[in-house]
Amino acid sequence: AQRVTQPEKLLSVFKGAPVELKCNYSYSGSPELFWYVQYSRQRLQLLLRHISRESIKGFTADLNKGETSFHLKKPFAQEEDSAMYYCALYTGGFKTIFGAGTRLFVKA
Amino acid sequence: DGGITQSPKYLFRKEGQNVTLSCEQNLNHDAMYWYRQDPGQGLRLIYYSQIVNDFQKGDIAEGYSVSREKKESFPLTVTSAQKNPTAFYLCASLRTSGSAGELFFGEGSRLTVL
Repeated sequence: AQRVTQPEKLLSVFKGAPVELKCNYSYSGSPELFWYVQYSRQRLQLLLRHISRESIKGFTADLNKGETSFHLKKPFAQEEDSAMYYCALYTGGFKTIFGAGTRLFVKA
Repeated sequence: DGGITQSPKYLFRKEGQNVTLSCEQNLNHDAMYWYRQDPGQGLRLIYYSQIVNDFQKGDIAEGYSVSREKKESFPLTVTSAQKNPTAFYLCASLRTSGSAGELFFGEGSRLTVL
């Protein structure tokens, strides 16, 4: 079955602390994975995708095919990182599967 | 300013009434989507359309209907048959060239059934 799992509904860290949002997937093909972010009162938007291998706003995510994971990491969290984060698997064929989302709170 | 425009932002409905949510895009994307966003459940796919005059049911299509008469427009009707319609609805379109697979979202429509 094709599935995306984000085990944490809520993650709370202090400003300046490292943060890791977990994402595991189940997919028999070659996955294309994305992280989307939804800041308060803003539309859901792409944060990064594994193919680009970029660092966006200090966030990185590495695809680990052995562990079927695509965890989102940032070494030093900032208050403006507080948002809802969704991991998503694009299977081609016009289908995208989303995880349940993780709400990140960064405390001052 | 390219993107997805949804209207209305907020909508109140009495039980038994149908309502239609509008979604317009000027990104020239063929594929469009409707998702429902509920706390703790992520985004669930209602309907999607790969091309004009064609659409498919998603995972939670019951009680909803759509049309795709124009490439730019993909309205969603929430019918009285939808048992729990109070939710936040998101429309999206899919980029299939260049950085394929990226979804572009509207700002959403919040529907409340009174």
